Amino acid sequence: DTGVSQDPRHKITKRGQNVTFRCDPISEHNRLYWYRQTLGQGPEFLTYFQNEAQLEKSRLLSDRFSAERPKGSFSTLEIQRTEQGDSAMYLCASSRGDNLSYEQYFGPGTRLTVT
Amino acid sequence: TQLLEQSPQFLSIQEGENLTVYCNSSSVFSSLQWYRQEPGEGPVLLVTVVTGGEVKKLKRLTFQFGDARKDSSLHITAAQPGDTGLYLCAGRIGGAQKLVFGQGTRLTINP
Repeated sequence: DTGVSQDPRHKITKRGQNVTFRCDPISEHNRLYWYRQTLGQGPEFLTYFQNEAQLEKSRLLSDRFSAERPKGSFSTLEIQRTEQGDSAMYLCASSRGDNLSYEQYFGPGTRLTVT
Repeated sequence: TQLLEQSPQFLSIQEGENLTVYCNSSSVFSSLQWYRQEPGEGPVLLVTVVTGGEVKKLKRLTFQFGDARKDSSLHITAAQPGDTGLYLCAGRIGGAQKLVFGQGTRLTINP
């Protein structure tokens, strides 16, 4: 199996700029999740998709954040008007949509630094 | 308020020693996972436990899920420097799909 991939691995941007991250899940997985992890903390849930439908969004996902999964395969996470507080590791995970759906497999993450 | 409390947060021991990391909650989890994370990388799944009282072994690592499914432990026997990393427990509550994570235990094994 090819694992979950994320692009880019690192992004440095200036405050106020927009950024977009991409996640490609494991091919047969129909659930895709986004998490954010700040230094010294465990990951925090942002949102998840089943196929192309966005089924849950955290209160952490302000209106500057938007996630899409247009064809039920890859997903993008866009942050508009970035702030220094957005600096974090953005993690994507995927899982199957059956009895084994509780096993989430993570990608390597995108490290965002907002200067 | 952290739904999942891990202890200790930091642990530094000598190679060859045994250790236990704990993950506790007041919530009941339908499943619980343990992950290990290296700096700059995503978490890697080690094990999933589902049934109260379940014990799983992965080489020198033993994972236990509490009878009430509110707590879990990870025991490492004869720790090696390659065990160094951030250990995270994460669980699902009820039918929710999202994982709730503990803050992690940063483990350092000194040669």
